[in-house]
Amino acid sequence: NAGVTQTPKFQVLKTGQSMTLQCAQDMNHEYMSWYRQDPGMGLRLIHYSVGAGITDQGEVPNGYNVSRSTTEDFPLRLLSAAPSQTSVYFCASRGQGGSYEQYFGPGTRLTVT
Amino acid sequence: ILNVEQSPQSLHVQEGDSTNFTCSFPSSNFYALHWYRWETAKSPEALFVMTLNGDEKKKGRISATLNTKEGYSYLYIKGSQPEDSATYLCASLTDSWGKFQFGAGTQVVVTP
Repeated sequence: NAGVTQTPKFQVLKTGQSMTLQCAQDMNHEYMSWYRQDPGMGLRLIHYSVGAGITDQGEVPNGYNVSRSTTEDFPLRLLSAAPSQTSVYFCASRGQGGSYEQYFGPGTRLTVT
Repeated sequence: ILNVEQSPQSLHVQEGDSTNFTCSFPSSNFYALHWYRWETAKSPEALFVMTLNGDEKKKGRISATLNTKEGYSYLYIKGSQPEDSATYLCASLTDSWGKFQFGAGTQVVVTP
């Protein structure tokens, strides 16, 4: 089991560029989420999904798109990168139900110049 | 605005001492409370998942309690060791769909 994997580990973008952060899990988890981590802000939920074809917005969805065409993959798209999107991005997955642990990927450190 | 609040923001503990810190969360729309341990340059790792009022969970020297009526959880570290140094995050699950709200964390530094 690889668990939750994310690529790339690091990325530098120029303002206005677009890119996709990849996330995959091999635990057959229904629930997947994207968070961003900024100093003093904790982890903030960007988007989440409760299964293939079902996604919803979190706390800070503006500037990001997601889709969930398979159970395994949950990519996060930055449409037009802005310096405010400089952050560390974590993908996470868990089984259905509140009692299931959430597993995090290793993170992607994104810098937008 | 963080509805989930953790205090204190940071703690310095002498090796061998015990310590505890708090997570407070809205008691309405409560589904579960998760605790995570987060070491620098790594990703958060689940410690406990708590769902019932009065829940107590233990893993080694670390334990947690839950009060859903008043909206708080305590995390305890008994006999702190340098390897306990980390940021401890709590997260409230606010709906059955998987929407978590995280606190900003308590950073624990254990000095020999």
